This record gives sequence, C-alpha cells and structure tokens, in this order.
Amino acid sequence: SSELTQDPAVSVALGQTVRITCQGDTLRRNYVSWYQQKPGQAPTLVVYGKNNRPSGIPDRFSASSSGDTTSLTITGARAEDEADYYCNSRDSSGKQYVFGAGTKVTV
Amino acid sequence: QVKLVQSGAEVKKPGASMRVSCKTSGYTFTHNFVHWVRQAPGQGLEWMGLINPNFGDTTYAQKFQGRVTMTRDTSTSTAYMALSGLKSDDTAIYFCAKSRMYCSSGICFEYLEVWGQGTLVSVSS
Repeated sequence: SSELTQDPAVSVALGQTVRITCQGDTLRRNYVSWYQQKPGQAPTLVVYGKNNRPSGIPDRFSASSSGDTTSLTITGARAEDEADYYCNSRDSSGKQYVFGAGTKVTV
Repeated sequence: QVKLVQSGAEVKKPGASMRVSCKTSGYTFTHNFVHWVRQAPGQGLEWMGLINPNFGDTTYAQKFQGRVTMTRDTSTSTAYMALSGLKSDDTAIYFCAKSRMYCSSGICFEYLEVWGQGTLVSVSS
C-alpha cells in the first residue's frame, strides 16, 4: 500500500467546488505535486509545492496543506476537469518518491 | 519547447529484458533529472526511479532494485530505462518525465514538469 492515501473517487456538480486530499505522515515535512490524467493520456502537472501552477493551468486549481494532509481544490469545476488526480511526494526514506493511489473526479 | 519522445511499444516474453528510450529536446539535458513512472492497465501511477543525467547517478524504488537500470547518453540527450526478468505483471505503460527542483522554507523536492507520451510494454508468453 502507498504511503500516501487518497480517496478513490469523488463527484462534483458542474460549477461547484471539490477538494481532493492526500494524506501521509511524510507530508508534515515534504511538499506535494499533483497530476491530472485523462484516459489514454500521459499525466500532466497541475499544482506543485505550496501552491504553484505551471503556465497554462487555470487558477481554479489550488493547493493547501495542514498537518499530514495536502489538498487539491478545484473551484468552479468544469466538464474538462473530469479525470484521475494523483499526488506525489518523497517517501519516508526521503530519497525516493511515491504516488498516491489516485482519485477519480467525476463532474 | 520541451519534448520527451519515447520509443515504441514492445512485446516481450516472460524472463526477457526490455529497454525504453526517452529522447529529450528543448532544454539542457544535464540540468534536470529524468524520472521513470509506470502504470499497469487500469491501475495507478508507480514511481520507478530517477537518473541525474549530469553524473549518471541513479535512485531506484526499492521494489525494482536489482532489476532496473537507468542510463543516459548525453551526446543524444536520451535517457534509457531497462528492466530485466520480466513478468506478466510488468505489463504497463512506462513514462519518462523531466523533473524540476522546488525549494521553499528549506525543504526541496522534485516535481515532474513534462512527461513523455508513454511506451506500452506487454509481457506475455
């Protein structure tokens, strides 16, 4: 099992807000990156670190952190946000990386 | 722009070895790590390891140690991932990704900035 725990699935109504969480003890001292993956495509980076978005990622995607949990929030979800979302961070050794199991977001 | 172009799909027999290439362009190859991630059919992402193209040093996920070898060719800006002793559950799409370091408040980590298109490797007798 992964050191990072994600809910398997969440659903959100069009235009509403959804929060996807990633929980793990290592997150108390490490940052997280979040990836969106649509069927048949490679993952793409959506948010990393404290709350940074690569160019081209809309500002409805944001990240926050509290204790051992980091969250990705989609504010005003759109149909094109329907995808799998994965968190990634260092593992307990600090030398390797690990992904959460992923959260399927249905809009 | 930054591109990572991977080699084509492969079909392998159990016990065989495979090697996937990841040709990079649009940036200085030796300035960023390259990570390898795989995804079995219908499953999540699994981190396999990384290579520092500047020195060739590697870090492998414990699960793959002894079976995986990551190398690079700086003359062609290409990274390679080889996996030996293939089993049916190694059937997966293998991705390479260019990472970038992020540091804040004394904590640093690598995020996967740009990904290759993926390479399907099927292992079947």
